[in-house]
Amino acid sequence: AQSVTQPDIHITVSEGASLELRCNYSYGATPYLFWYVQSPGQGLQLLLKYFSGDTLVQGIKGFEAEFKRSQSSFNLRKPSVHWSDAAEYFCAVAPSGGYQKVTFGTGTKLQVIP
Amino acid sequence: KAGVTQTPRYLIKTRGQQVTLSCSPISGHRSVSWYQQTPGQGLQFLFEYFSETQRNKGNFPGRFSGRQFSNSRSEMNVSTLELGDSALYLCASSLGLAGSDEQFFGPGTRLTVL
Repeated sequence: AQSVTQPDIHITVSEGASLELRCNYSYGATPYLFWYVQSPGQGLQLLLKYFSGDTLVQGIKGFEAEFKRSQSSFNLRKPSVHWSDAAEYFCAVAPSGGYQKVTFGTGTKLQVIP
Repeated sequence: KAGVTQTPRYLIKTRGQQVTLSCSPISGHRSVSWYQQTPGQGLQFLFEYFSETQRNKGNFPGRFSGRQFSNSRSEMNVSTLELGDSALYLCASSLGLAGSDEQFFGPGTRLTVL
């Protein structure tokens, strides 16, 4: 069965600083990978997804993620964080093909300080 | 286009009771997935329905059940409630299977079991 690990429970960054949120997955083949964001009081929203092809994926709100097969990672990055980026971020994985369940990580809560 | 709606938004029940939660997906979406969200546990997958058929099921006891109607609306039922069932229950819809498509999440139903 697939699994996903987000090793950082909580991260604090200064506004304008760069951000990298870590995500590691466990799955035998190349999975489908997702990043979702949950802003306070709001539902989850998809930031980006990777199915195949270019390993650097661009998403909404200036986020990007890079799939690294050798490291089983799919880290989320943003060059300059805005105060509105404060939220909880979830990495998710599903076996390629989409016929099995989506497994979410436990989330990383991002705090942005002025 | 209306988003995913969930009713009720808040519920307070006592141990031993049962509860039914409702989810209306985005028009045209055929897949509905349910998740339980608790602090520190992230999103735990309950089940996914696609065209009225349960496609995938998570590792939850049989007290948790669901169904999907011909108009894609879905309900989940929890019988014999336990204190540990207190959580935010999220519903998500997608055009195709959840594992291969963007999921759109509702605001959730906050269940408190006393």
